[in-house]
Amino acid sequence: DAEITQSPRHKITETGRQVTLACHQTWNHNNMFWYRQDLGHGLRLIHYSYGVQDTNKGEVSDGYSVSRSNTEDLPLTLESAASSQTSVYFCASSVGSQETQYFGPGTRLLVL
Amino acid sequence: AQSVTQLGSHVSVSEGALVLLRCNYSSSVPPYLFWYVQYPNQGLQLLLKYTSAATLVKGINGFEAEFKKSETSFHLTKPSAHMSDAAEYFCAVSDRKGAQKLVFGQGTRLTINP
Repeated sequence: DAEITQSPRHKITETGRQVTLACHQTWNHNNMFWYRQDLGHGLRLIHYSYGVQDTNKGEVSDGYSVSRSNTEDLPLTLESAASSQTSVYFCASSVGSQETQYFGPGTRLLVL
Repeated sequence: AQSVTQLGSHVSVSEGALVLLRCNYSSSVPPYLFWYVQYPNQGLQLLLKYTSAATLVKGINGFEAEFKKSETSFHLTKPSAHMSDAAEYFCAVSDRKGAQKLVFGQGTRLTINP
């Protein structure tokens, strides 16, 4: 079955380190999204992509970057991890405009 | 800018009772509206969505929501709560300009009492 996966599921890192979170989908969806979930804030959009070589900043993009070299993957990189980036990160994908977004299981990141 | 407000961060109901989770939105253009559910340690799953057809939208697991433009609301209801409904529920809005960026509410945690 087609699916969307995230790895790792849990990550502990130190302040200042570079961290990359992986997102892989097998639906061949054009659109991919990264959100962070924090208590009291719901989910907030970090970056998104509408296709290969396309990336866009979301609401809370500072300190994060993404790249889209193929349809299946949208890795999220924290350039220099900060304690404020401790959060649960969700990747999502959708086939086209206004179609349902399907979410991965999430990555829980702790920055010490 | 679009925004979503979910009234009540925590709602508790008895098993068999009516579930009502409130969502109000702000949008300068006719919106698309969504309700997602998140079970513990899982990702989000779509319950239902409004995209301009019927204003009463039926979703999975017996949930439904009604789009009321005059009240800018999209409240989620279920006639009879089940223990398995315990989860966190998120309302989200996107505009119709094709960007499909979802703006989420803060979430409402639903607890079901036996």
